Amino acid sequence: NAGVTQTPKFQVLKTGQSMTLQCAQDMNHEYMSWYRQDPGMGLRLIHYSVGAGITDQGEVPNGYNVSRSTTEDFPLRLLSAAPSQTSVYFCASRPRDRGRGETQYFGPGTRLLVL
Amino acid sequence: AQTVTQSQPEMSVQEAETVTLSCTYDTSESDYYLFWYKQPPSRQMILVIRQEAYKQQNATENRFSVNFQKAAKSFSLKISDSQLGDAAMYFCAYSINDMRFGAGTRLTVKP
Repeated sequence: NAGVTQTPKFQVLKTGQSMTLQCAQDMNHEYMSWYRQDPGMGLRLIHYSVGAGITDQGEVPNGYNVSRSTTEDFPLRLLSAAPSQTSVYFCASRPRDRGRGETQYFGPGTRLLVL
Repeated sequence: AQTVTQSQPEMSVQEAETVTLSCTYDTSESDYYLFWYKQPPSRQMILVIRQEAYKQQNATENRFSVNFQKAAKSFSLKISDSQLGDAAMYFCAYSINDMRFGAGTRLTVKP
């Protein structure tokens, strides 16, 4: 299994540009989520999904859109990038069933720089 | 809203000695999970240890153990026989449906 994969690893954008961060997992996990990590702060939840066709907002959803058309993929879209969105973005997945302990598996991260 | 607090931005330990990282959290729930994640310079998030709130017994994983005090809402991580490879950021996290993280503690291991 590849686990959780993210592309690209690093991206530079200009203010106002749009882009999509890709996330995929091959573990058949129902639950997927996106976090951002800023210096001096822990990971903050942007959006999450409990299954295909279902998404919901986390702590810091403004400026980001998500969709979940398949179990495997959970892309994060920045419609109009702003310098405040400069961060490292992590995608994560886990089985939905709480009885299995809710361990999350993280991707390697995407470093985004908005100029 | 659930919050997670790590009051030690930085900690240092001598190689082979023991260090304890602190974490407190705020919740009104009774059934939840707590985690410690390690983040080395590679930025990969690595699960260190997990605790289920309904279990009174403290979790252990080799040199890593926790002191879970449910009433005090405290979840500290003890690293015994510290190794150079333990140097990293350590994040405490709380989870019911989604996961909330503390700000992290940077651990330095001195040879």
